[in-house]
Amino acid sequence: DSGVTQTPKHLITATGQRVTLRCSPRSGDLSVYWYQQSLDQGLQFLIQYYNGEERAKGNILERFSAQQFPDLHSELNLSSLELGDSALYFCASSVGLAGGPNTGELFFGEGSRLTVL
Amino acid sequence: GQQVMQIPQYQHVQEGEDFTTYCNSSTTLSNIQWYKQRPGGHPVFLIQLVKSGEVKKQKRLTFQFGEAKKNSSLHITATQTTDVGTYFCAGPMYSGGGADGLTFGKGTHLIIQP
Repeated sequence: DSGVTQTPKHLITATGQRVTLRCSPRSGDLSVYWYQQSLDQGLQFLIQYYNGEERAKGNILERFSAQQFPDLHSELNLSSLELGDSALYFCASSVGLAGGPNTGELFFGEGSRLTVL
Repeated sequence: GQQVMQIPQYQHVQEGEDFTTYCNSSTTLSNIQWYKQRPGGHPVFLIQLVKSGEVKKQKRLTFQFGEAKKNSSLHITATQTTDVGTYFCAGPMYSGGGADGLTFGKGTHLIIQP
């Protein structure tokens, strides 16, 4: 158990709909990251928050948005869903800003599997 | 932006054979991390390398960071069925404010045939 909690685990919805994915980071972790993993694809970085503020953006579509709340949990909102948005969405957390030489690893949740029909 | 390339994408080995995956960056990395994702699971941190030329071992796994800090490798000796999964390398992304998160390679899928 990584200590990162993601809900829901599975979600099936239709094209054009909107969904919200939720992530609770490990206790004490200030950074939250969202990654998208499609079939046979690597982990595509979407967005990162640190202590409530957006820190970095990756290949996140304009239809997607996210935020980190004062209690440090985060939500990823996906709207106007398309078939191609079907993927596994991972949330990860770290104590500080991962990537620096002394900031250690990312802890991943178990993911939210989104299926768009 | 920074890119991290990994090869091969797939590797089939017989149980007991060795396995190596390679990671190359378009830019010099301050550090590199390796993760393992079991089938149906989530990525789990294996190790972080920081120093030029660094070599670290974890039982049958050997991790190397290149002298120029632009490439890295993971070598598994005498693979076992428990080694099955996808191995990712990840390097830091940089914005104007410093290191922000990790960019992952596409991973190497290790498939072991008994």
